[in-house]
Amino acid sequence: EVQVVESGGGLVQPGGSLRLSCGVSGFRFEDYAMHWVRQTPGKGLEWVSGVSWNSGRFAYADSVKGRFTISRDNAKNSLYLQMNSLRVGDMALYYCAKGSRIGVTDTSYHFDYWGQGTLVTVSS
Amino acid sequence: QSVLTQPPSVSGAPGQRVTISCTGSSSNIGAGYDVHWYQQLPGTAPKLLIYDNNNRPSGVPDRFSGSKSGTSASLAITGLQAEDEADYYCQSYDSLTGSVFGGGTKLTVL
Repeated sequence: EVQVVESGGGLVQPGGSLRLSCGVSGFRFEDYAMHWVRQTPGKGLEWVSGVSWNSGRFAYADSVKGRFTISRDNAKNSLYLQMNSLRVGDMALYYCAKGSRIGVTDTSYHFDYWGQGTLVTVSS
Repeated sequence: QSVLTQPPSVSGAPGQRVTISCTGSSSNIGAGYDVHWYQQLPGTAPKLLIYDNNNRPSGVPDRFSGSKSGTSASLAITGLQAEDEADYYCQSYDSLTGSVFGGGTKLTVL
C-alpha cells in the first residue's frame, strides 16, 4: 500500500521560513519524480514545485521561484520543501504528490498518489 | 485566474449524465499534453480519477470517462450517484509555466 505523509507545517510570520517534509512508502521512490501542490482553504489547486527522480531537474511555479527550494533524499524515501521569505499568499494546505514519470519538464505527467497535506499559516 | 478554465459548478439528478469541460490553449492542451482529472471529496485529498485523457486507474468505476479534442477536454459522469458530489479538477502541462490545474468544478447531486 502506498503511503504519503507530510509534516512540518505550522504558523510563521511574514518573511519567515519553514521546511516541509514528506515521507513515502509502498513504491520505489527513486523511480519517480515528486511534487508539491498547494491548496488555499476553499480554493483550487496550485502546483508549486517538482524534482526529477535523480534530482537532476527542478521546476518551480513562478509564484515561488527564488523563494522555495525542493529537494529529495532517495536513501530516506523523503521529499522536502524549504520555504523562505514567506508571504500571506503562501498560506495553504501543502500536499506532497507522487509524479507518474521520472521527469518534471516538457512532459505530460499526473499525480497518482497524494498525502493528506500539512497546513502552512502565514500571519503576524 | 487558472490557466485551464472549468465551470465553477454543475449539477444533476441521480441517474443523469453530467459533463465538466476544461478549456486550455496552444501552450498546454492544444500542444498535445495529456489531460488528467481528480476528484476531491469534502475534507479529503484529491484522488486521481482519469489519466492520460481517457484512462481510469484501478478501482474507478466506468461511469467516469474522459475525452480530449483540440484545446479542450471533458469529464463525463453517467448514472450520477449521491457519492459523486465533490470538486473535480483537470490538470495538464503547460510549456510556459509547468504543471497547471483548472479552477475546479463543484458537482452537486440534486
